[in-house]
Amino acid sequence: NAGVTQTPKFQVLKTGQSMTLQCAQDMNHEYMSWYRQDPGMGLRLIHYSVGAGITDQGEVPNGYNVSRSTTEDFPLRLLSAAPSQTSVYFCASSYYSRRRSYGYTFGSGTRLTVV
Amino acid sequence: TQLLEQSPQFLSIQEGENLTVYCNSSSVFSSLQWYRQEPGEGPVLLVTVVTGGEVKKLKRLTFQFGDARKDSSLHITAAQPGDTGLYLCAGSKSTGNQFYFGTGTSLTVIP
Repeated sequence: NAGVTQTPKFQVLKTGQSMTLQCAQDMNHEYMSWYRQDPGMGLRLIHYSVGAGITDQGEVPNGYNVSRSTTEDFPLRLLSAAPSQTSVYFCASSYYSRRRSYGYTFGSGTRLTVV
Repeated sequence: TQLLEQSPQFLSIQEGENLTVYCNSSSVFSSLQWYRQEPGEGPVLLVTVVTGGEVKKLKRLTFQFGDARKDSSLHITAAQPGDTGLYLCAGSKSTGNQFYFGTGTSLTVIP
């Protein structure tokens, strides 16, 4: 089925470790983004991209890096994991035209615990 | 500070009742979306509204975008247990590429 695929679904990291959360979509969407979801705080944008080679910061970018070498893939890298990065991470994609994105398709999330 | 405030935060009702969820902001949005999220899953898009005063219906769900494009509401008629979930609104400003999400309304419909 077409959609957004995130891996892994669960991950436990030790403080200071690094890792990459993978995200791939097969809908040829130009716009891709990463959100984190924490209780009582809703979904907060980490980074987003409006096309291959173009990325920008969202509300909470510190401690995370992204790159967009292809339309399909948008990995999120945690440089040095901290307990404050314990969260559920969602990747989302959408069509994008006239500087406007349309409805998101979300992945099923990655549940990350940093101990 | 949240750009979009949703109310109520929690709602528990009996099957067959009607309910309204609100999404409010002091900012103007070029478009606003509503999503429903079930436990362990990502949000699923329900509707997008782009015109002030616009009303869209999706079966028993009615969505309205405020005239000034600063607020929106979701009304559910005759709620069913399958409506249980977290309802999220998200808005996009005309000056940027970011979507801002509200904190959500957790709805439980009791059979």
